[in-house]
Amino acid sequence: AQTVTQSQPEMSVQEAETVTLSCTYDTSESNYYLFWYKQPPSRQMILVIRQEAYKQQNATENRFSVNFQKAAKSFSLKISDSQLGDTAMYFCAFMKKAGGYNKLIFGAGTRLAVHP
Amino acid sequence: AAGVIQSPRHLIKEKRETATLKCYPIPRHDTVYWYQQGPGQDPQFLISFYEKMQSDKGSIPDRFSAQQFSDYHSELNMSSLELGDSALYFCASKRAGSSYNEQFFGPGTRLTVL
Repeated sequence: AQTVTQSQPEMSVQEAETVTLSCTYDTSESNYYLFWYKQPPSRQMILVIRQEAYKQQNATENRFSVNFQKAAKSFSLKISDSQLGDTAMYFCAFMKKAGGYNKLIFGAGTRLAVHP
Repeated sequence: AAGVIQSPRHLIKEKRETATLKCYPIPRHDTVYWYQQGPGQDPQFLISFYEKMQSDKGSIPDRFSAQQFSDYHSELNMSSLELGDSALYFCASKRAGSSYNEQFFGPGTRLTVL
């Protein structure tokens, strides 16, 4: 069975600074996907960034980037130039690739507060 | 662009009542997932459907049932509701063969059981 661990229940950062959210996972699968989802107070689940395990290059999406360490089973999210609108709960999620219609397995989440 | 539609957005029920949650996937999406997110918790997978057939099942109580219809919309039926069923229920949809198997989430249905 796969598990996802987010060891930081809460984080805070000043506006315009950089923050890194940690995520580790456990799996015996060789190929899979990893995602970071943002859940603002509206509770909508918003995809922030995604990574396929076979791709060595770390994914980036504007101010968001990941540090994917496959051997260490680590998938951290870096938010640069933090903005007040980044305040939200962030979930790391795992999905195995085989089968084609697999479920997402989420970590417990990290609550991020961006302060002015 | 069209998004996943869930109805109702809010639902209040009494213990032991029944509830039906509906999900309308993005057009041409053939796979639907249901997740339950309790207060302060991460979303937990309940059940999924591909081409109107159940494709996977998670920790869904026997009191719950679901199906996907010919137009690909899905309904989650919940009976003998308990206080612990109070949660945000997400539906997500996906198109087979899409990149990253990306699931698109609906806004959720907030169920409150009194």
